[in-house]
Amino acid sequence: DGGITQSPKYLFRKEGQNVTLSCEQNLNHDAMYWYRQDPGQGLRLIYYSQIVNDFQKGDIAEGYSVSREKKESFPLTVTSAQKNPTAFYFCASSKVVTGELFFGEGSRLTVL
Amino acid sequence: KNEVEQSPQNLTAQEGEFITINCSYSVGISALHWLQQHPGGGIVSLFMLSSGKKKHGRLIATINIQEKHSSLHITASHPRDSAVYICAVRGGSQGNLIFGKGTKLSVKP
Repeated sequence: DGGITQSPKYLFRKEGQNVTLSCEQNLNHDAMYWYRQDPGQGLRLIYYSQIVNDFQKGDIAEGYSVSREKKESFPLTVTSAQKNPTAFYFCASSKVVTGELFFGEGSRLTVL
Repeated sequence: KNEVEQSPQNLTAQEGEFITINCSYSVGISALHWLQQHPGGGIVSLFMLSSGKKKHGRLIATINIQEKHSSLHITASHPRDSAVYICAVRGGSQGNLIFGKGTKLSVKP
């Protein structure tokens, strides 16, 4: 079945470590997104990509990095520069940037 | 002031009740999304609309562009409808989505 696969579902990071969250989609969507969700807050955009080898910063890009080497894949790296990374992270995709969104199951990152 | 406000924040209903969740926004938009977040965390898109009304099963979404307001209705509510319902608006033709904080719905049997 077509969909978006995020991994891992749960991830722990020590101080000073970089960690990478995986996002793969087989929906043939051009646009992909990473969102962060904190308790009691709305989803906030970290990065998005409308096409391979191109991506744009969202509202809270500091301390994060992404790549889009393949249409199907949009991994997110949470770097040690992100001082408060504990949160839920959601990957999403859409056929076009204005289209309906399809979400992954989410990844819970905890800093030890 | 948040650009997208949802009300109520929390809602408890008895099975079978008619439910309304409201979303008000302060920016010009090209589209509004309603999303459902399950207790396990997964998010599903319910509706995307820019005018009028859409219906899918027991769910109905309406939008009034002039009043900058949308409602999500659930008829004959069921415990499996228990979830967080999220409103999001797209400002402009290529603008990013702005999300509300969500409405947590609990339907008791």
